[in-house]
Amino acid sequence: SQQGEEDPQALSIQEGENATMNCSYKTSINNLQWYRQNSGRGLVHLILIRSNEREKHSGRLRVTLDTSKKSSSLLITASRAADTASYFCATYGSGSRLTFGEGTQLTVNP
Amino acid sequence: NAGVMQNPRHLVRRRGQEARLRCSPMKGHSHVYWYRQLPEEGLKFMVYLQKENIIDESGMPKERFSAEFPKEGPSILRIQQVVRGDSAAYFCASSGGGASYNEQFFGPGTRLTVL
Repeated sequence: SQQGEEDPQALSIQEGENATMNCSYKTSINNLQWYRQNSGRGLVHLILIRSNEREKHSGRLRVTLDTSKKSSSLLITASRAADTASYFCATYGSGSRLTFGEGTQLTVNP
Repeated sequence: NAGVMQNPRHLVRRRGQEARLRCSPMKGHSHVYWYRQLPEEGLKFMVYLQKENIIDESGMPKERFSAEFPKEGPSILRIQQVVRGDSAAYFCASSGGGASYNEQFFGPGTRLTVL
């Protein structure tokens, strides 16, 4: 398995429900970031959480980080059809590269 | 303040031709990163450059791929003698460098199709 693995691979929910996506990684990190990618488009940075932080909020987004378990979760509350996209976690460790997971495809049905 | 610019957005090449992808970082950013995304996969790091220097090219294929970031002008990712397996989306990101927690800002990508 690879650094930055998302779970589940695909998630389908109804509008108004909450969506939770998980990410696991293997090596030590400085921070972990979540990105969104609409089909055929570029990446949009959603939120960054540092290794000394446990939880962070931004609007309808809530990210948690558990460095002891090397895992993070992204919660989108009160989902909307416009939230339909692929969501990637990316870890930032030694060096300057971001290591991305394979992504979770979220579908929010109206 | 324009974001990261990439051109072309779509590029079609026949096998054996050369592909040149351009990336202009955000204003004030001197660090550029190239990533490749195969269909249905996440992004994979290719190369990290600063002005006139390649810092980390550990993700670059050993042959046919090269990258540069000259003192003036955009960063160029060059793929020689393209093959069908090179078909992918290529994303450029830039950052202001410095501490390792700096955020990378991504461009819209160049989608390369090799016929």
